[in-house]
Amino acid sequence: SQQGEEDPQALSIQEGENATMNCSYKTSINNLQWYRQNSGRGLVHLILIRSNEREKHSGRLRVTLDTSKKSSSLLITASRAADTASYFCATDRDYKLSFGAGTTVTVRA
Amino acid sequence: ETGVTQTPRHLVMGMTNKKSLKCEQHLGHNAMYWYKQSAKKPLELMFVYSLEERVENNSVPSRFSPECPNSSHLFLHLHTLQPEDSALYLCASSQGPPGSYEQYFGPGTRLTVT
Repeated sequence: SQQGEEDPQALSIQEGENATMNCSYKTSINNLQWYRQNSGRGLVHLILIRSNEREKHSGRLRVTLDTSKKSSSLLITASRAADTASYFCATDRDYKLSFGAGTTVTVRA
Repeated sequence: ETGVTQTPRHLVMGMTNKKSLKCEQHLGHNAMYWYKQSAKKPLELMFVYSLEERVENNSVPSRFSPECPNSSHLFLHLHTLQPEDSALYLCASSQGPPGSYEQYFGPGTRLTVT
């Protein structure tokens, strides 16, 4: 069953702007992961953040985790056209990943 | 390239056909997964294999039959499918226990059932 839910469902921004998307989940987790999917392709892993971590960075990506609110955010700074994709959060539960429906990000040139 | 390959990339089959999807990982991982991705729906986990043993069968209809002959290969055998089975089928692998490690995905097989 679906554990994480991303918000917003869709986001359109200008190249160079920042993009922020959120993920909320229902039950306690060991870790939360973010993935990117370009249209019709496989998912690409971006960042894994464990429940005892609050923030993690990878290049232009910043992920935060608030276990008290059961929520996470993904920030993409200085967006580029190549960042146009769907972004999914995934939470681990019973030793398997449960994915949300995703946020579709469009970066306009 | 993620190190996970899937064949075929596209498949059109009739409801009475039998076909198989193949996945191969070149990463030395010991867990492999099948997911179904339908339009406007979250990714659905179908099967999980850990150390070549099936550890999850997520209420998938019997017309889908997985096979994991070794830690590098995973198959999904299809027979008497329905039009609603049309979707993108994704294979993934991970280094360790399902859920605890990042997963590496193949490019997917786009399946159309006519």
